[in-house]
Formats: sequence, structure tokens, C-alpha cells
Amino acid sequence: DIQMTQSPSTLSASVGDRVTITCRANQSIHIWLAWYQQRPGRAPKLLIYQASYLEIGVPSRFSGSGSGTEFTLTISSLQPDDFATYYCQQYSSYYTFGQGTKLEIK
Amino acid sequence: QVQLQESGPGLVKPSQTLSLTCTVSGDSISSSGYYWSWIRQHPEMGLQWIGYIDYSGSTYYNPSLKSRVTMSLDTSKNQFSLELSSVTAADTAVYYCAGSGTTFEYWGQGTLVTVSS
Repeated sequence: DIQMTQSPSTLSASVGDRVTITCRANQSIHIWLAWYQQRPGRAPKLLIYQASYLEIGVPSRFSGSGSGTEFTLTISSLQPDDFATYYCQQYSSYYTFGQGTKLEIK
Repeated sequence: QVQLQESGPGLVKPSQTLSLTCTVSGDSISSSGYYWSWIRQHPEMGLQWIGYIDYSGSTYYNPSLKSRVTMSLDTSKNQFSLELSSVTAADTAVYYCAGSGTTFEYWGQGTLVTVSS
């Protein structure tokens, strides 16, 4: 089984901050990684696929990078709408999700 | 734009079978290249992929749930379905249906299923 580990579990930040979330896989998943945003009571929303490709309609302040076992999601300048929970997900072998990173207002 | 909507009972008794249906609009579920998944979210355990059925009806299930899961397509209604047998309280979760070309681009709104007597 491919396990995904995100850090940190919780992140406190302010509007305008640049933040980075890390996701690690326990074996190489090449570039088969996606990032999702989930707001309370809503379904996850795809932000990034194939590690660094922005889904249509997602603001350019979101970016992804990495390959192999280590990946990052960066939000360049936090907006009020960005305070949510973020999940990484691998699709190299079946599908598994990270445990989530809750982005809170400082 | 593809849209998905889950439907089914919100309460299931222990040992019974959980049955959910996902209605797809905006495209045909038999369009080649699409994969139709069920995903659940436990408050404590996070997001878990249950399995998918592809446009041809081939199925792929999470090994941890495989013995209890059945998925099917109904192309006449543009729907796909999930059956999860022998449920326990651990199966209480929000269940999402999702559609993917590469990964989960399209999601239903989710439906809470509680397992309780």
C-alpha cells in the first residue's frame, strides 16, 4: 500500500502570507499526485493534478511541485477563501489520500 | 460540465447492505476514458477510496474493502451504484461519488450514511 503523509496537520497564517504544505509518499509515485481543497460541508475540489498542473479555473496563486516521494503545495498570497483543509492524493497505484492539512486564520 | 448526485438511505442497520446510487448529468457514463468512483470520508480516518467502475463496466476495488463491495452501471439511467455488505458502525461516513479522467475532477455533494440499529 502507498501511504501519504502530510505536514503540518494544522497551519495558522494570515491573509497575504505565502504558505507551503508538504506531502510525502512511502514509495515513488513519480508525478501521479493531486491536491484538493475542502471547505466545511463541501466535497473536495481538485486544484492540481500530475504534481504541478493547475486545474482549469483554479487561481494562479496555487502551485504544486515535486516528484518521486516528496511534493509541495504553495499558496503565494493567501486570500480569505483559501482557509480550508487541503489533501494530497496519489494515483500511481489505486488511490490514497493524505490525512489533510487544516489552514487556519492566525 | 459533468455533475453528480448521490442518493440512497441515510440510515442502515448493522450487518445489512448499504446501497447508494449516483446520477450523472452532463455526459454519458459510458463515454470512453471515464472512471466512476465511490469515496468515503470518516471524521477521524479521512478520505478513503472505495473503488471504481469504468465506462465499460470493469471494476477495481480497494483491497481492504474488496470482499464487501459491488459496483454496477445502469447506462439507461446514466447512473452507477455501490453496494457495501455486512456493514458495521465503522462504515458510518459521508459517501461521495466522483468521476475521473485522470484523477477526481468531478464530485457529488456527498451523502451521510449512518450505521445504527
